[in-house]
Amino acid sequence: GAVVSQHPSWVICKSGTSVKIECRSLDFQATTMFWYRQFPKQSLMLMATSNEGSKATYEQGVEKDKFLINHASLTLSTLTVTSAHPEDSSFYICSAKATGTGGNGYTFGSGTRLTVV
Amino acid sequence: DAKTTQPPSMDCAEGRAANLPCNHSTISGNEYVYWYRQIHSQGPQYIIHGLKNNETNEMASLIITEDRKSSTLILPHATLRDTAVYYCIVGHDRGSTLGRLYFGRGTQLTVWP
Repeated sequence: GAVVSQHPSWVICKSGTSVKIECRSLDFQATTMFWYRQFPKQSLMLMATSNEGSKATYEQGVEKDKFLINHASLTLSTLTVTSAHPEDSSFYICSAKATGTGGNGYTFGSGTRLTVV
Repeated sequence: DAKTTQPPSMDCAEGRAANLPCNHSTISGNEYVYWYRQIHSQGPQYIIHGLKNNETNEMASLIITEDRKSSTLILPHATLRDTAVYYCIVGHDRGSTLGRLYFGRGTQLTVWP
């Protein structure tokens, strides 16, 4: 079945630095990928929709200059948290939407735990 | 924004059927009902989805009411490993440019031995 790989699974960084998270579709092409954030004991919040070869679409209230998204190929999207601060500490999850038909449609990665110290 | 309402928590004895309800009274005609679950600190796992007909796969059954305003996810023989947060989501098919999933609060299902 469709598999989405997310890397790293966890990262600790110092306040003020930037962190890049990768999301790869391993066995299918994804024209569209999604980035979510999840705080403890809360649900997943959609941050942005990433389309291959074009600019990402951000949800209301999400700072596009802080959360840089690049979707340069049909199998890779990256999320860069710039100038990270402790309040950015969260669980970041990507999802990919496969092209064509068949399958369940939306496949999620295993998530990245970001801790900013 | 989430368009579904689910009970915050449910319990189920191991080996019994778990029936998880979901209300989605504002669902539109071309929106699907998706069910995902999330085990602690992992990404959501797909369970099943449907448009208007009942669906069954190796994991679960999905019963959608005729007016499509509510649905029930059925895990026929719950095991301890089914303990998770279950999300009922209404969304467009992935083929649609509107296709994206907004998560609500979900139902924490606890399966007891």
